Amino acid sequence: DTGVSQDPRHKITKRGQNVTFRCDPISEHNRLYWYRQTLGQGPEFLTYFQNEAQLEKSRLLSDRFSAERPKGSFSTLEIQRTEQGDSAMYLCASSSGRSSYEQYFGPGTRLTVT
Amino acid sequence: AQTVTQSQPEMSVQEAETVTLSCTYDTSESDYYLFWYKQPPSRQMILVIRQEAYKQQNATENRFSVNFQKAAKSFSLKISDSQLGDAAMYFCAYNGNSGGGADGLTFGKGTHLIIQP
Repeated sequence: DTGVSQDPRHKITKRGQNVTFRCDPISEHNRLYWYRQTLGQGPEFLTYFQNEAQLEKSRLLSDRFSAERPKGSFSTLEIQRTEQGDSAMYLCASSSGRSSYEQYFGPGTRLTVT
Repeated sequence: AQTVTQSQPEMSVQEAETVTLSCTYDTSESDYYLFWYKQPPSRQMILVIRQEAYKQQNATENRFSVNFQKAAKSFSLKISDSQLGDAAMYFCAYNGNSGGGADGLTFGKGTHLIIQP
């Protein structure tokens, strides 16, 4: 399977704990995006990488959020000191930069903060 | 900042009939991309159709077609011969070309499409 994969699919954590999510993009894609989707809303763009360079991080929701893509392949999104308001679906997408910049999405990681 | 508006929170259509989902957007850019994505319940987002703003011809993918009105900043999706498998949330999305088309997408709030058997 060459689709975008995300791990874990579900995460339940207590308020104040740190969590980390992983995204593996389609292998030949050099662009990787993170989005957050809350119930009843469309996805909200968080950050974006081209290869290992993070080109847009101003929309990360707070300084508790950070993302890395160390070798230009997989990426991680970390949330420190989680709050109940962080409960959401976190989506990853990738694109090749060709084909009119179509982005292909993974299945998402659903985070529940108790 | 760009905004995308989907004014229909929910639409219902009889199986085999045609339905149109509305989308309007606001931008100051002249070149951009528009997309419709489908998100079935508990399943991942799937690209349905895309439209480049510089193309006058409306995009078509099998039973799915768009009506792109650039001056009106309108981008509606028509689904012909609706099937039960079309039931899903449908999101309209915008991507500007100022970042080379590689920026994050701006999504609308979505339209929940119900297919009546």
